[in-house]
Amino acid sequence: SAVISQKPSRDICQRGTSLTIQCQVDSQVTMMFWYRQQPGQSLTLIATANQGSEATYESGFVIDKFPISRPNLTFSTLTVSNMSPEDSSIYLCSATGSGANVLTFGAGSRLTVL
Amino acid sequence: AQSVSQHNHHVILSEAASLELGCNYSYGGTVNLFWYVQYPGQHLQLLLKYFSGDPLVKGIKGFEAEFIKSKFSFNLRKPSVQWSDTAEYFCAVRHVSGTYKYIFGTGTRLKVLA
Repeated sequence: SAVISQKPSRDICQRGTSLTIQCQVDSQVTMMFWYRQQPGQSLTLIATANQGSEATYESGFVIDKFPISRPNLTFSTLTVSNMSPEDSSIYLCSATGSGANVLTFGAGSRLTVL
Repeated sequence: AQSVSQHNHHVILSEAASLELGCNYSYGGTVNLFWYVQYPGQHLQLLLKYFSGDPLVKGIKGFEAEFIKSKFSFNLRKPSVQWSDTAEYFCAVRHVSGTYKYIFGTGTRLKVLA
């Protein structure tokens, strides 16, 4: 299965700033997703990152707050904009390969907003 | 809305005890079912999956799960747990149509006492 690398692995940010998380996959994948895992909670799907077009956002998530790019089949970024302490969470990049139908995850990016 | 329910949020067992973690989903269509595990300090890993065929599936490390379509359930079992099974376990459902999204349950934190 694909190996997914995320960076940064963790960061501490100030309220009102923005942070971009990068996700690199070691092989071409069909679908890429961004999840959020808040403390003590499950994984919540933020959006599906579509190659070369706008991401598909889930209810409660908007492009202005979480802009996503996916310029090719192996790379995506998620930006958390105008951060507040409520955005403190682990952000996970995930992907499925062609025909595999199994979701593989990166190690996550732990974000703390002060 | 589609959802995945895991009824046990925290489970504490002694080594050699048997384990069963419940998972129910609310979706009438065709689904793929998964159990993921997250060991302390590690990223999410696939434990086992069900796509079709024999409803009793076996995964890594002696885990198995049974798909009962009439009950919309996919419970995880292990006859004898080990200390190294201490982890958080997530059930996930993927719709085999439309957006192909993966929906996760709230997770069960298992602690095995040596």
